[in-house]
Amino acid sequence: QSVLTQPPSASGTPGQRVTISCSGSSSNIGSNTVNWYQQLPGTAPKLLIYSNNQRPSGVPDRFSGSKSGTSASLAISGLQSEDEADYYCAAWDDSLNGLYVFGTGTKVTVL
Amino acid sequence: EVQLVESGGGLVQPGGSLRLSCAASGFTFSSYDMHWVRQATGKGLEWVSAIGTAGDTYYPGSVKGRFTISRENAKNSLYLQMNSLRAGDTAVYYCARGLEMNYWGQGTLVTVSS
Repeated sequence: QSVLTQPPSASGTPGQRVTISCSGSSSNIGSNTVNWYQQLPGTAPKLLIYSNNQRPSGVPDRFSGSKSGTSASLAISGLQSEDEADYYCAAWDDSLNGLYVFGTGTKVTVL
Repeated sequence: EVQLVESGGGLVQPGGSLRLSCAASGFTFSSYDMHWVRQATGKGLEWVSAIGTAGDTYYPGSVKGRFTISRENAKNSLYLQMNSLRAGDTAVYYCARGLEMNYWGQGTLVTVSS
């Protein structure tokens, strides 16, 4: 059972801005950095954002991350059809000798 | 080019065992923490285990005592020994590189069923 809560779905039309929230607690997001992963249909996940707001090489700057307290957010600006995918937040949790927890996942649909 | 290739998946009966492998190439394997992550069909991602560069290991409660992660740096390989398998362990198992999991393999399917 995931300890990071995300909305199950989000949607927007091409060009719009979409934001996905990730709610945690003091033992995970509150004390560790947040990573975000994108999973396109039928493929392995891909790191999208690390350390709250850093983009790996090759990730478009349309994707941005932020963190405040025990919550984090992923924003997709200028939504494109190829952004239709599942998105997961994740963080280390200090509560039990080191656990890595994923969010419940958000399906982004481009209308 | 960084590559991670999982193997060893298949059909196993409840209570059985299976050993997954992950062959790494394109980077200095010994310098990176490594993870196993699984995903049941239609479900979200679940972290299964991690191993540090010094061989320190980490597991969630759902697999602790049943699964063992290990690495063989000389062979650039990561392993997951899975014992006492249950139907709930059925999933695609991915290996991933580094603290942030910045590279993933394509996954190997494990099906636990009689």
